[in-house]
Order: sequence, then C-alpha cells, then structure tokens
Amino acid sequence: DQQVKQNSPSLSVQEGRISILNCDYTNSMFDYFLWYKKYPAEGPTFLISISSIKDKNEDGRFTVFLNKSAKHLSLHIVPSQPGDSAVYFCAASGTSYDKVIFGPGTSLSVIP
Amino acid sequence: NAGVMQNPRHLVRRRGQEARLRCSPMKGHSHVYWYRQLPEEGLKFMVYLQKENIIDESGMPKERFSAEFPKEGPSILRIQQVVRGDSAAYFCASHLGTEETQYFGPGTRLLVL
Repeated sequence: DQQVKQNSPSLSVQEGRISILNCDYTNSMFDYFLWYKKYPAEGPTFLISISSIKDKNEDGRFTVFLNKSAKHLSLHIVPSQPGDSAVYFCAASGTSYDKVIFGPGTSLSVIP
Repeated sequence: NAGVMQNPRHLVRRRGQEARLRCSPMKGHSHVYWYRQLPEEGLKFMVYLQKENIIDESGMPKERFSAEFPKEGPSILRIQQVVRGDSAAYFCASHLGTEETQYFGPGTRLLVL
C-alpha cells in the first residue's frame, strides 16, 4: 500500500524552463510534506517543506504547492538548471516526530 | 557543524555474516531514523530511536535486524546472518526535535555476496 505516490518515474526539461514534479498521497493524517533531492551515491538532501496549514511555500527557485482536498502536491523549479538533474523524492509525515514516508522518486534531467 | 555521518560507506559481507552500520547524528540531534533503499525503489522507514530508546520499529524486519542508540556513541544498525536480499543502501537521518526536517547521512551500501 503506497501512501505517497510519484507517478512519473522520469522527467526531462530544457534548461531555463519550468520543472513540475507531482506527488499524490492517500493518508489524510499526513501533516507535513517534504521534498528531497538525491544524487547517485549520496544521501537525500532536504530541499523544501510545507505544513498542511499552508498551500504554498517558496524558497528561491523552488516552490511547493499543496492541495489538501485533492491530496496532491507539486514542486516547481524555475528556472531549471543542469545541476538540478537528480532524483526528487516527495515525502510526508504525520507529526514533527513521526517517520517520513517516501514516494518512489522522479528522476529529473535538465537538458542544457 | 558536521552533518550526519555514516560508516562504513561501503560494506561487503558473505551470506551468514553480521553487518554493523554506524550513524553519528548531527551535533545536538537526539532523534535518529534508519531507512533502507532497495535497488530501483524509494526509501523505506525501518526504525526511529531516541537516546537509549526505540520509539518506532514498525519498519524493521522481525528477525535478524536490531538497532540501538546508546547514551554515548553512534547509533548502530545490526544485521545478523545476512542474506543476499539485505543488499541495499541504508540511510540514517537525524532530527533536532524542535523542527520537522530530517537530515540524512551519505548512506552505507551493503553488498551481500
């Protein structure tokens, strides 16, 4: 039973354009959502998060949108850069101390 | 402030041997989580520990796996009598306790021959 889903295993985007990574979840008890970026042979790196009381959080080129009624969130990267090429994991947790449930990841390739 | 440290980075074991994976959390962090990433899959939660206590071990296999986070020293994930299916990347994350974000170490890649 996959509680966090990322239905696109991969995405290719031209440099300078917008990258949109999507994520759906099934557990309405999730209260906190995170995006992690992972390069090969490295650990996941925290990117950006959003609490369920918000619908948008922005940090530089990265913006996360949350639609609670649809149980959907998305990560926007604008403008995309070749260094953004990595696997992006959507994750969710119930409370601040809870385990984090990860999606399967989306591999983003930004083409120069 | 050093990040989460894990060692060894790579570990090769033969079937039936024991594997010990170590994790030193970020300075000041008293919450440690272990995750496993099997090939071609996402990260799966294994266990959540605070100093000297196991808080949630719902993701731990029932046999051969154990974890501890002693008062002094790193957290240890121990796998006894390893099998080929244990081959994976094992990631440790730590958490301050006053914020939600977990910070990950570089992982230990276990290969069972």
